[in-house]
Amino acid sequence: ETGVTQSPTHLIKTRGQQVTLRCSSQSGHNTVSWYQQALGQGPQFIFQYYREEENGRGNFPPRFSGLQFPNYSSELNVNALELDDSALYLCASSQMGSGQGPSYEQYFGPGTRLTVT
Amino acid sequence: DAKTTQPPSMDCAEGRAANLPCNHSTISGNEYVYWYRQIHSQGPQYIIHGLKNNETNEMASLIITEDRKSSTLILPHATLRDTAVYYCIVRPYPVSGGYQKVTFGTGTKLQVIP
Repeated sequence: ETGVTQSPTHLIKTRGQQVTLRCSSQSGHNTVSWYQQALGQGPQFIFQYYREEENGRGNFPPRFSGLQFPNYSSELNVNALELDDSALYLCASSQMGSGQGPSYEQYFGPGTRLTVT
Repeated sequence: DAKTTQPPSMDCAEGRAANLPCNHSTISGNEYVYWYRQIHSQGPQYIIHGLKNNETNEMASLIITEDRKSSTLILPHATLRDTAVYYCIVRPYPVSGGYQKVTFGTGTKLQVIP
């Protein structure tokens, strides 16, 4: 069990609506990333938050936004939903300490399945 | 991040070693090789990583060629629970607070057969 939880498990929205997905990071983790996984594809990086600031973004439009809270929980918000936004949304948390090192592990949650109709 | 190439699917008999190859011919000197797997309907799970030396942990072994242009993930005694999609990823050396983007390809779907 990774300790990363996501809610809700499944969600159905209509095109044009807005959605908020939630993630609770593993205890002590200060970095969270969000990924979108379309059916049959690998996860695609959306963005990353470190200490409540976005510090990296993939090729996703501004209608994808996020927040990270002091307790390291986070949200992914998507405005003006499109049919192609239907996917599994994954969050992943890790602990970035001082200095350098590749030995961190990125723990993924089970995902939220979003269906846009 | 460097691009990786993996076979789309492989079969392995239960109890046998599963050897999953990955090509990463454009890997840079500061990039590590990571392996994740994703069991159906779950989030990806970290397996192992390495730079240039072979690595082993309780889950698997990672063999990286001397020129670092390819690697092999070895599951020594595959079980039915190892049926999953396996992703090989190369990524830069992470720094504190740094960018941790992980670029997944389509991976190798490993089917362990009874």
